[in-house]
Amino acid sequence: GQQLNQSPQSMFIQEGEDVSMNCTSSSIFNTWLWYKQEPGEGPVLLIALYKAGELTSNGRLTAQFGITRKDSFLNISASIPSDVGIYFCAGRYGGSQGNLIFGKGTKLSVKP
Amino acid sequence: GAVVSQHPSWVICKSGTSVKIECRSLDFQATTMFWYRQFPKQSLMLMATSNEGSKATYEQGVEKDKFLINHASLTLSTLTVTSAHPEDSSFYICSAEDRDRGGLAFFGQGTRLTVV
Repeated sequence: GQQLNQSPQSMFIQEGEDVSMNCTSSSIFNTWLWYKQEPGEGPVLLIALYKAGELTSNGRLTAQFGITRKDSFLNISASIPSDVGIYFCAGRYGGSQGNLIFGKGTKLSVKP
Repeated sequence: GAVVSQHPSWVICKSGTSVKIECRSLDFQATTMFWYRQFPKQSLMLMATSNEGSKATYEQGVEKDKFLINHASLTLSTLTVTSAHPEDSSFYICSAEDRDRGGLAFFGQGTRLTVV
């Protein structure tokens, strides 16, 4: 089946540092979504990307839809303690009605 | 963003009993909802796709008779864990796709099920 490879699996950084994580696939996706999940909560949508090459920001977060349509990255600038959580990428394949599949997540820890 | 409400947020039940979890899309209609299970420190595992007015589609390895899904309306899907056992203890999360917003998926708050 379809698979998304998300890396890194976990990150331990100092407050103020920038963060970068990415997802790759051997398949072409038509949508990339990035979510953040805090402990005991459901994932919350951060950024949605629909076009190859698209670069979208949401505050200190920036995500890009790779031009090959097989990858996406998420950057967080000047991290703060509340950025802690698990970040998931999700990709949709097979057209607008296709299923979403999720990466395994990147666990971010921020040291004050 | 769109709101998906999941209830209850946590439940403790005895082995052998059944538990029902509700997932509601509050401000949009969702012809398709999804149910996930999440083990500690792991990703989301898709259990089944819930289709309004028809039978759910279960992922391989998920027992349809144990995890009953009903999607009776465009805003409500329910997951019933039947004859619960301690190994069913987990975090269950639903999501609903808003087709009017490009198929964006919004998640409920999750339900922590503990079977004792």
